[in-house]
Amino acid sequence: EAGVAQSPRYKIIEKRQSVAFWCNPISGHATLYWYQQILGQGPKLLIQFQNNGVVDDSQLPKDRFSAERLKGVDSTLKIQPAKLEDSAVYLCASSFTGGAEKLFFGSGTQLSVL
Amino acid sequence: DAKTTQPTSMDCAEGRAANLPCNHSTISGNEYVYWYRQIHSQGPQYIIHGLKNNETNEMASLIITEDRKSSTLILPHATLRDTAVYYCIVRVQTTGTASKLTFGTGTRLQVTL
Repeated sequence: EAGVAQSPRYKIIEKRQSVAFWCNPISGHATLYWYQQILGQGPKLLIQFQNNGVVDDSQLPKDRFSAERLKGVDSTLKIQPAKLEDSAVYLCASSFTGGAEKLFFGSGTQLSVL
Repeated sequence: DAKTTQPTSMDCAEGRAANLPCNHSTISGNEYVYWYRQIHSQGPQYIIHGLKNNETNEMASLIITEDRKSSTLILPHATLRDTAVYYCIVRVQTTGTASKLTFGTGTRLQVTL
């Protein structure tokens, strides 16, 4: 079974630039998550989709971050404009539903903002 | 949200059992305990979860105390590849069927020769 695919693997940008990350979840998984992991910390949920609808975006900095999940499959997470403190690994995960089951994570995109 | 407390780091000799403790004294009756691990430069990986009863799978065993205020993840025969950060998480039920996993800082397990 193919895992969660993310790209790019690494990205370096300057502050105030924009950046986008892409995620392709496991086929058939209705729920998709974006997490931010700052060095030395555990992952923090940014946004959760159920199919193509947003379930939880309470920790998404909406003034600069946006995410969409077109047709309930692939998803993109965008940052515009980026700040130094956005340097982190951005992890995408998916699960079959949003219930009591396991999440499958991709390897993440490591973002460095200079 | 129920909070979890884990030791910052632990060491274990290869071939020995690794016992990773977790305190979750404010857990509610319908909250599950999940364990994930994160090997360097990879995304977290699901290990096991449970509600009340002890659970075992091909990776590990989960022992939950009768009062559910703490649990222990057991890796029966640790190998070097088990070196990772281990996260104990109490699952919070949010809207509808959506559930939210809130990660703490975890326990860094170092398996040594």
